[in-house]
Amino acid sequence: DIQMTQSPSSLSASVGDRVTITCRASQSISNYLNWFQQKPGKAPKLLIYAASSLQSGVPSRFSGSGSGTDFTLTISSLQPEDFATYYCQQSYSTPRTFGQGTKVEIK
Amino acid sequence: QVQLVQSGAEVKKPGASVKVSCKASGYTFTTYGISWVRQAPGQGLEWMGWISAYNGNTNYAQKLQGRVTMTTDTSTSTAYMDLRSLRSDDTAVYYCARDTSYGDYAEGGSWFDPWGQGTLVTVSS
Repeated sequence: DIQMTQSPSSLSASVGDRVTITCRASQSISNYLNWFQQKPGKAPKLLIYAASSLQSGVPSRFSGSGSGTDFTLTISSLQPEDFATYYCQQSYSTPRTFGQGTKVEIK
Repeated sequence: QVQLVQSGAEVKKPGASVKVSCKASGYTFTTYGISWVRQAPGQGLEWMGWISAYNGNTNYAQKLQGRVTMTTDTSTSTAYMDLRSLRSDDTAVYYCARDTSYGDYAEGGSWFDPWGQGTLVTVSS
């Protein structure tokens, strides 16, 4: 199975900050990497697919980059509604696997 | 709008089975797959498997092989996930999600969007 490792596991940031979350795959996954946002008690929501494609309706302050084994999710200017947990997920092979999550908290 | 609506919460005893439904609307059901993902309390996301609504092909997570069955009813645009021999560590919120892969799941590059609202399954004696 492909292991997905996110860093950091949690972070504290202020509204307006630039936030970067890193995801590393245990082997090359090309650009088959998706990012999700999950708020407490809610289902995950797709933000980014294929490493860098912004899902329709998602604010442009979210962006993704990377290929191979190293990927990043960037929030250019953190907004109050962005405080949540973020997961990366590989779709290169089965089983599909997720990172452990990064919780973004208010500073 | 595209929507997946899941069945309600369940409480089961160890050794029992549970069947969760996921009714799709707002798109052509047979042109996508459905993946099932679960989340134990306070934990991360675990992919359980996928079913093609196009041809019924399935791909299950190895750890659940033999205990899980995924099916679809194209006449009602509904997907089902049946989990047997329940244990306490099966307690989780179970989500269905529309999967962009509907043919050969060995091909990579799919994603999950949207997700159902989740179904809490509690396994307790």
